[in-house]
Amino acid sequence: EAGVAQSPRYKIIEKRQSVAFWCNPISGHATLYWYQQILGQGPKLLIQFQNNGVVDDSQLPKDRFSAERLKGVDSTLKIQPAKLEDSAVYLCASSLDRQGWQPQHFGDGTRLSIL
Amino acid sequence: GQSLEQPSEVTAVEGAIVQINCTYQTSGFYGLSWYQQHDGGAPTFLSYNALDGLEETGRFSSFLSRSDSYGYLLLQELQMKDSASYFCAYTRASGGSYIPTFGRGTSLIVHP
Repeated sequence: EAGVAQSPRYKIIEKRQSVAFWCNPISGHATLYWYQQILGQGPKLLIQFQNNGVVDDSQLPKDRFSAERLKGVDSTLKIQPAKLEDSAVYLCASSLDRQGWQPQHFGDGTRLSIL
Repeated sequence: GQSLEQPSEVTAVEGAIVQINCTYQTSGFYGLSWYQQHDGGAPTFLSYNALDGLEETGRFSSFLSRSDSYGYLLLQELQMKDSASYFCAYTRASGGSYIPTFGRGTSLIVHP
C-alpha cells in the first residue's frame, strides 16, 4: 500500500510571500489531518477533514492559513502571507476511521523555512 | 481545560527497560495513542489504548488508567535504534469523529 504523499519536501520563502503544500492520503482513508510541528515540539493539529468536510479547525490561524480537500481525496494547505513564526515542518496524515478509531499514517512532511 | 504532560527527556542504557509516562486532561476522552519519531522522520504509530489495562506489541507495551487520566509506554530490551522522540496523543470523540491532541514529546536517549 502506498503511503501518504506530500510535496514539496522543502520550501524556502521570504516573509509575506505565499506558499502551498499538497497531500495525497492513503487510498480509501476517510480522515485527513494537517499538522504544524515546530522544532522540539509535538505535532499541532491545524485542520482535520472527514471526507471533504471539516471536523476541526480550531487551531488554524484563519487570517493567513487556508486548507481544502476537494472531492474528499487530496488536500492543499496554503499560507498567505507567511510570517517568520510559520517556520516549521508541515505534516499530513490520514486514517481509515470508517468503523471506529484507526491509527494515523503520516507523510514525510514539508520543511518550511521563512527568511 | 485540556492538557497533556510527558517528560521532556529520558535516558537509559541498551538492554534496559524504560517507562515514559503521560498524564492528560480533556473532556470526551476516547483513547490514548503513542507515536515514535526519529530525527527528520515522520511519526509512526506504536500503540493504542481505549480501555484500562496493558496492550503489548513486541518489545513495546502501553498502559492506560482512565480513572487516573494516566498512561505510559514501556520499552523493553532497549536498542540503540530506539533513540527517538515519543509522543502520547489523546483522542476526543466528537460528533462521530475522533480528534487528536499530541503532547510535546519525550526524547529517549539510549546509551551503549
